[in-house]
Amino acid sequence: EVQLVQSGAEVKKPGESLKISCKGSGYRFTNYWIGWVRQMSGKGLEWMGIIYPGDSDTRYSPSFQGQVTISADKSISTAYLQWSSLKASDTAMYYCARRDSSGWYFFDYWGQGSLVTVSS
Amino acid sequence: DIQVTQSPSSLSASVGDRVTITCRASQTISSYLNWYQQKPGKAPKLLIYAASSLQSGVPSRFSGSGSGTDFTLTISSLQPEDFATYYCQQSDSTPQMYTFGQGTKLEIK
Repeated sequence: EVQLVQSGAEVKKPGESLKISCKGSGYRFTNYWIGWVRQMSGKGLEWMGIIYPGDSDTRYSPSFQGQVTISADKSISTAYLQWSSLKASDTAMYYCARRDSSGWYFFDYWGQGSLVTVSS
Repeated sequence: DIQVTQSPSSLSASVGDRVTITCRASQTISSYLNWYQQKPGKAPKLLIYAASSLQSGVPSRFSGSGSGTDFTLTISSLQPEDFATYYCQQSDSTPQMYTFGQGTKLEIK
């Protein structure tokens, strides 16, 4: 069974760093792109970026380029989303999702979400 | 970058109604358009991919159509469990920007 399991909720202060994770299982992790999506409270889905764990090829939405870093450790089938200096505006739910390899580029499996709260 | 405009932003309907949600891309994307359903507190769930292909396990009352720039999601007969928010997403993979529509909140009338 394919699963993406994300790390738990985090409460941080502005200026702190954070790395959240997304662990894949039930499939060959290195063969599928993993994307990240932000959802602020009561708002829509925003595409952040994507990584190919096989070679760590990474692409970012212009809106998030330079604001976050996406990485992966294929040895433990885990993708990461990290911030070096959090802002209150980073408060949101973050989802990881697997991109299908059929050539139609849809996202078929999603993590349960990681809630990040940034508050002084 | 390709933008997607979804309408309406909200919709009230009754159980048994037929409902249509539309999505328009800012440039042609062939059939690279997907639809997701999201319920409160849950991750999005894939309903339709490649504009009209039904994801495994999704009820047949859901259907998608369109190509190029104009797409629709239709629910043929609303069921109580269908009240949720729906998002379209373009998946033209160059340059790997998978933009979402603004969402349509489907509420019970």
